[in-house]
Amino acid sequence: QVQLQESGPGLVKPSETLSLTCTVSGGSISSYYWSWIRQPPGKGLEWIGYIHYSGSTNYNPSVKSRVTISVDTSKNQFSLKLSSVTAADTAVYYCARLVTVAFDPWGQGTLVTVSS
Amino acid sequence: QSALTQPASVSGSPGQSITISCTGTSSDVGGYNYVSWYQQHPGKAPKLMIYDVGNRPSGVSNRFSGSKSGNTASLTISGLQAEDEADYYCSSYTSSSTLDIWVFGTGTKVTVL
Repeated sequence: QVQLQESGPGLVKPSETLSLTCTVSGGSISSYYWSWIRQPPGKGLEWIGYIHYSGSTNYNPSVKSRVTISVDTSKNQFSLKLSSVTAADTAVYYCARLVTVAFDPWGQGTLVTVSS
Repeated sequence: QSALTQPASVSGSPGQSITISCTGTSSDVGGYNYVSWYQQHPGKAPKLMIYDVGNRPSGVSNRFSGSKSGNTASLTISGLQAEDEADYYCSSYTSSSTLDIWVFGTGTKVTVL
């Protein structure tokens, strides 16, 4: 069965760029769409965006000006870059597979703290 | 896009049935049959419980069911069990200016008394 695992720095300084990678195992990334979702501590979920293995993307208007999602099919990975981060971007970041219009499965999540 | 509205908390005794509501607008919940529900235990990743309003993924207990009326979707848990104590989030697909967007609910904490 497909499993997802997020990786990347747990601490990012304000105004810098947050970078995370999601590694897909147990299946090929070359099908479906793949998403990033985040959850600030003690708060709800926010969809960030998705990417298709072909490279087509779609982003939440709330972060569209700062976000880039890319895919590396040779490594079965996709990545998130969020620029000009502030404390408001502190959250657990999840990657997930988009199956038609639902997210399944999800990675375990990784906490990214924005602080100097 | 605003978050979908859910009650902050719902509780029930073991064996009882509870229902969690998820209220949106005609642009999201009411406009598409693309509501999904997620269960999240503390410190864990969300798990898909219901998709496309009322469909269960393989492996999810048939004690979980979903429905929709107008701009409000609902998740019902029947035969409540201790393991059902968790946070639950609804989500709806929507579209804005030809862009695909997903919006989540505010979340509901389910307590098993």
